[in-house]
This record gives sequence, structure tokens and C-alpha cells, in this order.
Amino acid sequence: AQKVTQAQTEISVVEKEDVTLDCVYETRDTTYYLFWYKQPPSGELVFLIRRNSFDEQNEISGRYSWNFQKSTSSFNFTITASQVVDSAVYFCALSERTGANNLFFGTGTRLTVIP
Amino acid sequence: NAGVTQTPKFQVLKTGQSMTLQCAQDMNHEYMSWYRQDPGMGLRLIHYSVGAGITDQGEVPNGYNVSRSTTEDFPLRLLSAAPSQTSVYFCASSYGSWRDTQYFGPGTRLTVL
Repeated sequence: AQKVTQAQTEISVVEKEDVTLDCVYETRDTTYYLFWYKQPPSGELVFLIRRNSFDEQNEISGRYSWNFQKSTSSFNFTITASQVVDSAVYFCALSERTGANNLFFGTGTRLTVIP
Repeated sequence: NAGVTQTPKFQVLKTGQSMTLQCAQDMNHEYMSWYRQDPGMGLRLIHYSVGAGITDQGEVPNGYNVSRSTTEDFPLRLLSAAPSQTSVYFCASSYGSWRDTQYFGPGTRLTVL
């Protein structure tokens, strides 16, 4: 079973629209960490955020915000007023205490921002 | 700080050839790992190391070897390349453990003919 599910394979939005990328995870651990990474067309993986399972406060960083809800096992990512530079593949990932030092990745969501 | 570096950026091999993908980090991170990225499958862990002299298998280790003689370097060896190993390979490092953020190198795109 997938530990991290990103059901949206591809999303297209027009510049300045808001967009939310969904991430649902599955774990039996009570202590775990969630991450988002960005992979722009150049191919590198850029770290965006890390959140531990005990901190359910939403996080905002500029135009980016994250909504963590343990009740629904979700860690969604919203980009406000999207820009062309936001076009990339976004990965959600899970790290567990019992995961043998593995970072479990979702299959990614490709976001295209149309000018 | 160069962060995590990988060489080469691109490589083409013939079936049966062997090669080593290089990975180095200058952040004094204890934990290093190798992932492969295939279309529609996200990234999957190949091997990892929690410190010099210590390595272990990840989710998809077959066909690959690793060693960790120094804190800085973590090379990945393909013993006898197969077309199924065509992929993009990423090396990552983090400070200590599963709790810490992993920082990734730029990747190596490998094609096996």
C-alpha cells in the first residue's frame, strides 16, 4: 500500500490563481515527519518544509501555506497567487521511526502555471 | 558550501557494463542515501548509510553496491548494468536520523542500452 498518496497527477492553473496540492499519508507510528519538495524543470529537488506529527499548526511562508490535519492524515500545500516560476513537480514525503531511514515519497503532482 | 554534489550528470551504458556514481557532501552529515526516480513512481530508496563504515539496504537494492569509507563520500556502484536500471539517481544527506531533513544532489541521469 502507498504510504503517501498524491491523487492529483497534473494540475493547470492560470497565473495569480490559488492552487492546493493534496497529500494523504498512512502510518502506524505516532511520531513521524512530513515533507514537501519541489522539483522544477531543471530537475533538482528543493526542500520546502518539514513538519512533525506533534505540531498541527498551519504554516505560512510567503505565498506558500501548509495545512496539516492528523484526523484526516492529510498535509496539503497551497500556493496563493500562483506564478509561472511555481511550475514544477511537487512531492510530499513521509519519514517514520520504523521506516529504516527511508523517506517515502508520493508520486508527485505536476503543476503548470499558465501566464 | 557546495552541499551535495553528484557526478556525472549524464551517463549512457551498455548492458553488462559497470560504473560508479559519485556523491559527496561537505556539510558533515552523518546520514547519506541513494534514491532512484522513475516516471510515475516517485523516489525509492536504494541504499543508505548512517555513518562511515555503516551501510544498509533500502527498498530496491538489487544490482547496486555501496560503501562509506569517509563521512563525505558515498559512491553507488552498478555491478552489471541492465536496462531496468535506466533512471535518474539522487544522492541525499541529512544531519543524523530519520527526523532530519534530507538535502538532495542535482541527480545523475543514467541510460542503459
